[in-house]
Amino acid sequence: GAVVSQHPSWVICKSGTSVKIECRSLDFQATTMFWYRQFPKQSLMLMATSNEGSKATYEQGVEKDKFLINHASLTLSTLTVTSAHPEDSSFYICSATGQGDEKLFFGSGTQLSVL
Amino acid sequence: KQEVTQIPAALSVPEGENLVLNCSFTDSAIYNLQWFRQDPGKGLTSLLLIQSSQREQTSGRLNASLDKSSGRSTLYIAASQPGDSATYLCAVNTGNQFYFGTGTSLTVIP
Repeated sequence: GAVVSQHPSWVICKSGTSVKIECRSLDFQATTMFWYRQFPKQSLMLMATSNEGSKATYEQGVEKDKFLINHASLTLSTLTVTSAHPEDSSFYICSATGQGDEKLFFGSGTQLSVL
Repeated sequence: KQEVTQIPAALSVPEGENLVLNCSFTDSAIYNLQWFRQDPGKGLTSLLLIQSSQREQTSGRLNASLDKSSGRSTLYIAASQPGDSATYLCAVNTGNQFYFGTGTSLTVIP
C-alpha cells in the first residue's frame, strides 16, 4: 500500500518557539493532504485540508496564523505551529489521498510537548 | 452534516472470541467507508475499505460489512488475538470530506 511518512515522531520545545512537522507521500502523488489533532483517548479532529499549490482550508475554530500549512508539492505538506504554548501540546497526524484514489493513508503521527 | 458513531466505546474479550464492532452514520450518501486500526501513540493503519456499491470486504480474520440504507457498518474479527488490541476507527467518505467515528478501544485478554 501507499506510504505516508511523517516526522518528527516526537518533539519537545520551549514555549514561544515554532515547530515544523513534515508529511511526505513516498510512492504516490498526494493531491490532497489533511492535518488532524488528537487528544488522548479521543478521535481525530480535522484541522485543515490542503491541496497542492493552493491555500489550505481551515476548519472552524482553527487559527490559520498559528497553524501554518504549506502544500508546496505533490509529495510534501508541512504544518508549522508558530509560537507554541503548552495548550498546543497534542498528537498531530497527517493523511493523504492521491488523484482518483479514494483511500486515506496516514502518517505515523507527531507527539508535540510544549514546556 | 454527517455524524459517525461507534459503539461500544470500549470492549474487552478473552482471546479466541469472535467479536463485532459497530459503526453508524447519519447520511447514507457516502462514497465509501474505511476501517482503521490505531495503536497507542501511532498513526492509523487502513484495514478495509468498502465502496458504497459493495456489501462486504474480507481480509484474513477481518470482515467488514456495509448497509448503506440503514447507515451501518460492522467490523467482524474472528478468533481474536492479544495483538488485535488497539483502537478501531471507521471513517465515512462523502466524496469531498472524511468523517471519523469516535473509535472502539479493544482489549483482547490472553
